[in-house]
Formats: sequence, structure tokens, C-alpha cells
Amino acid sequence: SQQGEEDPQALSIQEGENATMNCSYKTSINNLQWYRQNSGRGLVHLILIRSNEREKHSGRLRVTLDTSKKSSSLLITASRAADTASYFCATENYGQNFVFGPGTRLSVLP
Amino acid sequence: GAVVSQHPSRVICKSGTSVKIECRSLDFQATTMFWYRQFPKQSLMLMATSNEGSKATYEQGVEKDKFLINHASLTLSTLTVTSAHPEDSSFYICSARDLAGYQETQYFGPGTRLLVL
Repeated sequence: SQQGEEDPQALSIQEGENATMNCSYKTSINNLQWYRQNSGRGLVHLILIRSNEREKHSGRLRVTLDTSKKSSSLLITASRAADTASYFCATENYGQNFVFGPGTRLSVLP
Repeated sequence: GAVVSQHPSRVICKSGTSVKIECRSLDFQATTMFWYRQFPKQSLMLMATSNEGSKATYEQGVEKDKFLINHASLTLSTLTVTSAHPEDSSFYICSARDLAGYQETQYFGPGTRLLVL
């Protein structure tokens, strides 16, 4: 069953702006991961944040996790046209499989 | 980094035929591989978990006799769509966990687009 819910479903911004995507989930998790998918392609792993972590950075990416609210956010700073893709969060509960959210389609306009 | 390949990348077949999709971990060993299905503009839905040397575990609602999974080695899992119908047309993606490495991360293949006429 689908647990993560991304918000917004679609986001369109200008190059150079920041993009924020949110993910909510329903059950306890071991970790939450963000993936990027270019149109018609496979998924690229972006970042993993564990349940005992609150924030992680990787280059222009910043991920936060609030387990009390069961939510996470992905911030892409100084966006580029090449960031145009769909972004998915995936949650993993102890010993169970990934559950993906519906995704956010990001369009970065040059 | 860990690389997962899929073959073929796209396939068109006639209704009633069977199609085999291969998923290979190229530079690592994977005891567990996963098969997902993705419809246009939708998220990935887990179909089954493929375990090397044992039977696959299917998610609720996925017909095991229609979607045959074989995980014969630590680097290869295959998904066979038997007696394919137009409603089976979809994007099929596999992923694998690195046996020796960072177990929490799944590495995804590039996907296989299946069109059943």
C-alpha cells in the first residue's frame, strides 16, 4: 500500500529559485529516502535520512525529517533546468519493503 | 557506485505472448531484488521481492502465475510476463540491495517499457 504522500504533486519554478517538496507518511519508519526519476528512466538515489536524524545535506539538497509529524521535506537550492524530474520519497519500516509516495513533478524553467 | 541493468529497455509484443525481462547487478552481489511496476505519471508499486535460491514473495493482488520471477544467481533476477495482455503494458523497474554494502539503499535499474498490442 502507498504510505508516502508528496506535496505538491507538481511544481514549476524558474531557474535559480529554490524548490521545496514535502512527504508525509503514516506508520513508524526506519528511514526515509528521496529518489529522482527523469522521464521514462530509472530512479536515482538522492539521500537517505534515518529516523533518529533530523536534517541531512548533500550538495544543493537539504532533507529534513520530523518523526513527530511523520513528514519530510526535500529542498533543492539554486535550481537548474537539469533538476527537472519527478521526485519520490520512499519509507522503509524495520524489515519491510520500500513504500513510495506518488511523487512530485518538478519543472525548472530556464 | 552500484549499477543495475535491465534488458530489454523496451519491448513490444502481441497479446498472448510471454515476455522475459532481465535484471542484473553489474558490480555487486544481491541476495534480494525487487520488481516494481509504474503506470504513466504514477508512483512505483512493488510487485514482488525476489530472493536468490528461493521463491519470490508477491505483494497482495499480484498474480504469481502471471508474473514469474526467477532469481537464479546473486546477480540476476528475471521477470516473465506470461500470456501478456494490453493491460500489462507498463514500465517495469527492478532494484537490488548490495549484499556487502549499504543495505539500506536500493539501486534501481533503468526500467523496461512493455507495450502489449
